[in-house]
Amino acid sequence: GAGVSQSPSNKVTEKGKDVELRCDPISGHTALYWYRQRLGQGLEFLIYFQGNSAPDKSGLPSDRFSAERTGESVSTLTIQRTQQEDSAVYLCASSLMGAGSTQYFGPGTRLTVL
Amino acid sequence: DQQVKQNSPSLSVQEGRISILNCDYTNSMFDYFLWYKKYPAEGPTFLISISSIKDKNEDGRFTVFLNKSAKHLSLHIVPSQPGDSAVYFCAASARAAGNKLTFGGGTRVLVKP
Repeated sequence: GAGVSQSPSNKVTEKGKDVELRCDPISGHTALYWYRQRLGQGLEFLIYFQGNSAPDKSGLPSDRFSAERTGESVSTLTIQRTQQEDSAVYLCASSLMGAGSTQYFGPGTRLTVL
Repeated sequence: DQQVKQNSPSLSVQEGRISILNCDYTNSMFDYFLWYKKYPAEGPTFLISISSIKDKNEDGRFTVFLNKSAKHLSLHIVPSQPGDSAVYFCAASARAAGNKLTFGGGTRVLVKP
């Protein structure tokens, strides 16, 4: 079956511009997560959607970052007024509901802010 | 404040020998631990997990050991194969706080033929 897909695979933008990154989770997965990986570092949690519950936004680094999810499908991560420190690989994962459910990752979107 | 640490950034091992990757954590609320493997330009792939009620979990060539008193876990790969060359991430979650994962910085493993 299809895994998690993300688009675009690469995005180069100028400082100050807004960007939107898209994630299509595995069908039937009620939980969706966004992480980012800066160069040479581990993955950092950003935000987590679980069914109809309020999202856990505790990892968002600033109010320039926001995310939405339509039902149990597509999610969009938006970064407004991008800064050079936002350059990273943004990874999306999805899982079945419930603590301890394995998260399956997409290939990521590499964002470069010039 | 890094709650999950992988102190060895890289590891080189001969094909057929054992690879041992280590991970330390500080948050005593963590009760579920996972290892992911990552190839360049791909997302992390789940390898193996362990719940805090266990001290060992085995799946084929991969075994994870958990020492709760030391807040330490390790991943053993035996025998190592060239296809195992990748970056390995340790991750942890506190299931009562949701399923979000806290990752270590990764260990790059190179298996030499």
